[in-house]
Amino acid sequence: DAGVTQSPTHLIKTRGQQVTLRCSPISGHKSVSWYQQVLGQGPQFIFQYYEKEERGRGNFPDRFSARQFPNYSSELNVNALLLGDSALYLCASSLIPTGDYSNQPQHFGDGTRLSIL
Amino acid sequence: GENVGLHLPTLSVQEGDNSIINCAYSNSASDYFIWYKQESGKGPQFIIDIRSNMDKRQGQRVTVLLNKTVKHLSLQIAATQPGDSAVYFCAVKDSGGGADGLTFGKGTHLIIQP
Repeated sequence: DAGVTQSPTHLIKTRGQQVTLRCSPISGHKSVSWYQQVLGQGPQFIFQYYEKEERGRGNFPDRFSARQFPNYSSELNVNALLLGDSALYLCASSLIPTGDYSNQPQHFGDGTRLSIL
Repeated sequence: GENVGLHLPTLSVQEGDNSIINCAYSNSASDYFIWYKQESGKGPQFIIDIRSNMDKRQGQRVTVLLNKTVKHLSLQIAATQPGDSAVYFCAVKDSGGGADGLTFGKGTHLIIQP
């Protein structure tokens, strides 16, 4: 079975540009979360989506936005890119949102490596 | 908010020995804990999880121990193999209701010596 898939794997942008990252969850998983991982650090929570609705948001500026589609895939958008946005962006999926009724583990993709010049 | 920390950024062990990786968390309301393994160039890989109503859980060659009194959990890897070399993260979920993300520690880099 396919795991979480993310595209593209690598991306280079310049400051001020906008970027869209894509994620397809594990088949049957309805919740998708996004994380940012800076080199040498653990992943940091950005968003969680379930049934096309935002269920949670981390401490990130409004330049970051996301959405989830009827097929449960998701996009993360970042506007007005800054040098500090250079990171590995990870998508994770779970059957239901972690924390709802019964805890379900999140399974991660291999991420999109975003470099800002 | 939750603070999650690991005691050692790097742990070096001999192949075949047992490894113990530690993690501390700050929020007594945390109710779900996960250990992930991350190899270079890859995303975190789920290893094992434990809920707050348990204090021990075992998987294949791995055991997670949870001590809620001192807000500490550990990952034990038995008979460490070269393929166990990776960065290990603990992740914590608070029981604050709703659906929020996991809070990760900074990671421990496990190095296997031949």
